[in-house]
Amino acid sequence: GQQVMQIPQYQHVQEGEDFTTYCNSSTTLSNIQWYKQRPGGHPVFLIQLVKSGEVKKQKRLTFQFGEAKKNSSLHITATQTTDVGTYFCAGRTSGTYKYIFGTGTRLKVLA
Amino acid sequence: GAGVSQSPRYKVTKRGQDVTLRCDPISSHATLYWYQQALGQGPEFLTYFNYEAQPDKSGLPSDRFSAERPEGSISTLTIQRTEQRDSAMYRCASSPDTLREQYFGPGTRLTVT
Repeated sequence: GQQVMQIPQYQHVQEGEDFTTYCNSSTTLSNIQWYKQRPGGHPVFLIQLVKSGEVKKQKRLTFQFGEAKKNSSLHITATQTTDVGTYFCAGRTSGTYKYIFGTGTRLKVLA
Repeated sequence: GAGVSQSPRYKVTKRGQDVTLRCDPISSHATLYWYQQALGQGPEFLTYFNYEAQPDKSGLPSDRFSAERPEGSISTLTIQRTEQRDSAMYRCASSPDTLREQYFGPGTRLTVT
């Protein structure tokens, strides 16, 4: 079945350093969503990508969707302590409306 | 309402008992998802509804699990004859439609003893 992997599993950075998480699907995706989950909290929607090669920015966050629509990345510039949490991607394939969540990347920011 | 709510927030039950979890989605949202989330893992799809229709229940682990959304708003997830492996966080999410962002509820932490 469809699998969505994320790397790295964990990342510790010093405040001010950049951070990137990568999401890789075993199948071509129709769209991909990114969520952030703070410790003890619930997933919160960040963004959705639909087009091949799409790049979207939200302040210090940059999201990319690969040309083949099988991978995506989230890059955070100059991390802050408020960026702490687990970042999940969730992909949907054509013909289905269920989202398969990735394994997540847990980010820790050291002040 | 202001967001997605779920009840109860915590449920402890004995093995073999039935449990029913409730989800109140955002009132205007057509689509409702149920997920199971193990500690340290991503949400795992169980089933979803479009209004009262349930087009996909492929993620339900066994026939002990069932879900309903009879009037296209509130939904329930029922687990019959609970087993210890059913212990997990159960999350509900609603969305304006199947192609838009999902709004997650706080979840129900189920512990089967």
